[in-house]
Amino acid sequence: NAGVTQTPKFQVLKTGQSMTLQCAQDMNHEYMSWYRQDPGMGLRLIHYSVGAGITDQGEVPNGYNVSRSTTEDFPLRLLSAAPSQTSVYFCASSFQVPGGSGATNEKLFFGSGTQLSVL
Amino acid sequence: KQEVTQIPAALSVPEGENLVLNCSFTDSAIYNLQWFRQDPGKGLTSLLLIQSSQREQTSGRLNASLDKSSGRSTLYIAASQPGDSATYLCAVRFEGAQKLVFGQGTRLTINP
Repeated sequence: NAGVTQTPKFQVLKTGQSMTLQCAQDMNHEYMSWYRQDPGMGLRLIHYSVGAGITDQGEVPNGYNVSRSTTEDFPLRLLSAAPSQTSVYFCASSFQVPGGSGATNEKLFFGSGTQLSVL
Repeated sequence: KQEVTQIPAALSVPEGENLVLNCSFTDSAIYNLQWFRQDPGKGLTSLLLIQSSQREQTSGRLNASLDKSSGRSTLYIAASQPGDSATYLCAVRFEGAQKLVFGQGTRLTINP
């Protein structure tokens, strides 16, 4: 049981390049999400998914795309990287979708993060 | 606006002390609250989750309390150890929302 796995751990991009941050979980969690963490700004939600085939925007979705074709995977795509996207990115998942029944299973599990620098 | 605040931003105490970390939130209509620990360069680890109907949760030397009416939660750490040094974040899920709102965290240092 690996939990939430994120790759890569570090990445340097040039402005305008595209890339995909990978996230996979092996806990059969319904809910998956992407956050970015910036000094002084805390953790901010980028996109989230409440199940395969369903995604929605968080607080700061611009410049990012997501898809959820399987329960296990939730990749985050940067279409045209900008210096403002320099950040640490975290993927997180929980068994229960926030707001659903059985709310005791909303404990959120995080990946170890991807440190992204855009030059 | 629904916000979560943690004060102080940093705290340094000698080993062995009991300590309290604070979390306040602007709207008492919450569904649950989680306390997380983050070590440098690592992801977050959920320590305790308190439902809105609960007053406290305990795990080992950690005890989290919740007072919805005053918009406050505290994380009590007993007999602190150097290994407790980390940043502690609280996050609230407000009613009607499908996301957590995080505080900025308190960076805790336990001095041997």
